[in-house]
Amino acid sequence: EPEVTQTPSHQVTQMGQEVILRCVPISNHLYFYWYRQILGQKVEFLVSFYNNEISEKSEIFDDQFSVERPDGSNFTLKIRSTKLEDSAMYFCASSPGLAGGPGQETQYFGPGTRLLVL
Amino acid sequence: AQTVTQSQPEMSVQEAETVTLSCTYDTSENNYYLFWYKQPPSRQMILVIRQEAYKQQNATENRFSVNFQKAAKSFSLKISDSQLGDTAMYFCAYTGANSKLTFGKGITLSVRP
Repeated sequence: EPEVTQTPSHQVTQMGQEVILRCVPISNHLYFYWYRQILGQKVEFLVSFYNNEISEKSEIFDDQFSVERPDGSNFTLKIRSTKLEDSAMYFCASSPGLAGGPGQETQYFGPGTRLLVL
Repeated sequence: AQTVTQSQPEMSVQEAETVTLSCTYDTSENNYYLFWYKQPPSRQMILVIRQEAYKQQNATENRFSVNFQKAAKSFSLKISDSQLGDTAMYFCAYTGANSKLTFGKGITLSVRP
């Protein structure tokens, strides 16, 4: 069964450093998402991406964040200058893009990248 | 803005018994979708079940079923014949016209042997 994959599974970085989290969505999916989950808290939406551009982003997704689809398979989240409060689990998700709109589709999640900022 | 509320922080159930997890939501949209996701200790997010708001029939998936009450904006998950592997955090989630999932705070379910 196709699945979303994410690398690395764990990342430890120093405050102020740049990190890139990588995701490979399910191959024929067209919508991609990033979510984060701070330990003990709810999962929060960061950004959605379709047709090589951001379709929606949350207040959390400020100028320190960016997303890119550098090739036909990878989808990346970059945090330019990490802060302590960026420590969280980051989930990538994808959905097919076949229904009447992205909100009508099931999003399939990857296993997450656990980011720790020291 | 849409909100999802899970007011029970944790529940416990004996193996083989039935348990119901509660969820309420608030929205002004007429067409939307509701989900239950499971997050085991590995922290992967796994889809359990999905309900389309326009469907009156409650969704079922093997031992998992929902009680969807659209007028009351309630969406509870029933797990029958609970198994030890059902021990996890369960999140109720909503998506409407836009592309984002809005999650509740989650409930920790423990299945006792």
